[in-house]
Amino acid sequence: DAGVTQSPTHLIKTRGQQVTLRCSPKSGHDTVSWYQQALGQGPQFIFQYYEEEERQRGNFPDRFSGHQFPNYSSELNVNALLLGDSALYLCASSLGRQGADGELFFGEGSRLTVL
Amino acid sequence: QKEVEQDPGPLSVPEGAIVSLNCTYSNSAFQYFMWYRQYSRKGPELLMYTYSSGNKEDGRFTAQVDKSSKYISLFIRDSQPSDSATYLCAMNLVGGGADGLTFGKGTHLIIQP
Repeated sequence: DAGVTQSPTHLIKTRGQQVTLRCSPKSGHDTVSWYQQALGQGPQFIFQYYEEEERQRGNFPDRFSGHQFPNYSSELNVNALLLGDSALYLCASSLGRQGADGELFFGEGSRLTVL
Repeated sequence: QKEVEQDPGPLSVPEGAIVSLNCTYSNSAFQYFMWYRQYSRKGPELLMYTYSSGNKEDGRFTAQVDKSSKYISLFIRDSQPSDSATYLCAMNLVGGGADGLTFGKGTHLIIQP
């Protein structure tokens, strides 16, 4: 049973560029959430997708956008990259918006470096 | 004041010791409390999940929630070198992380063989 898979694992971009990160949820899960984890910090909630719509959003600017596909996979897009966007981007999946026991399964993340 | 406060450590203890990890929080509306373990360069892994106040035990791990004090704890008994990791507390208002989990900074734990 495949867990949450994310790609790419590492990438380097320069300021002003755009990046797309991808996530496939755990088998059977229909809800995907994205988190940003800066070095030495806890993850911060970016947004959640359910039924192909953004359902909840954290305190992130509009430069951060996403998409969920009919097969429940998801993309995170970040435009006009800033140095401060350098972080580990984590995808988490769950079953339904309020999953059984509230368990979120996290992927191993995509590490973005902005130069 | 941050919503969730957690001492980043590092916390270093000898193998076999009992480890106590703690978080305090300010939002009394939080209902669901979690502890995640994160190894270096890996994603967080759920260890314990608790609803409202009380204790929950799973093997060597015990989670405690005291909502009146806005204080949660994770105890690890008979600690092993493989327990060395960063431990993140997390909480939210509704189950399933539907409103997004609020995490602490994480405590870096080192178990010395």
